[in-house]
Amino acid sequence: GDSVTQMEGPVTLSEEAFLTINCTYTATGYPSLFWYVQYPGEGLQLLLKATKADDKGSNKGFEATYRKETTSFHLEKGSVQVSDSAVYFCAYTNFGNEKLTFGTGTRLTIIP
Amino acid sequence: EAGVAQSPRYKIIEKRQSVAFWCNPISGHATLYWYQQILGQGPKLLIQFQNNGVVDDSQLPKDRFSAERLKGVDSTLKIQPAKLEDSAVYLCASSLKTGAEAFFGQGTRLTVV
Repeated sequence: GDSVTQMEGPVTLSEEAFLTINCTYTATGYPSLFWYVQYPGEGLQLLLKATKADDKGSNKGFEATYRKETTSFHLEKGSVQVSDSAVYFCAYTNFGNEKLTFGTGTRLTIIP
Repeated sequence: EAGVAQSPRYKIIEKRQSVAFWCNPISGHATLYWYQQILGQGPKLLIQFQNNGVVDDSQLPKDRFSAERLKGVDSTLKIQPAKLEDSAVYLCASSLKTGAEAFFGQGTRLTVV
């Protein structure tokens, strides 16, 4: 069945390091792909999204490109900050079955 | 704009007791979701409403869980009787329509002892 698989955590980086969190999907058809973030003590919020192949979603310095050939939607940021410490979830919806399905989450900790 | 409101924020109950959670979605949002997030896992969809009709409840344990969305606005999720494995954060989310960006509440943390 359809699913997303994301990089297991926890991930710990130093401030200003380059970040990649991997996400791959298995889906029939053409899913829309999302990254959600959960900051400590807050609710889940949408970070970025892409709805078709080769689309790039971006927000707050984060980027992810919808790559159909590798069925991936990896999250990247060039220079992370302490305030980026959070749990990041890859998610998708699929046309005809608009259920928003999440990966297991990756906890990111940035140390000064 | 007010966000998705949930109550209570925390609840501790004994196994076999019943519990109810309440959600008030963003005004005008037709789609409402209830998710269960067990510690260390991603949110799992329990039920999805479109207005006051159920779109998907395939992962709702119907022998003990029930949910309703009266008049297509507020929603309640009930567990009766609770089991230890129901300990989790219950998240409510809403979106303008199915497939649009979902906005989440802060969740209700349930501990079953």
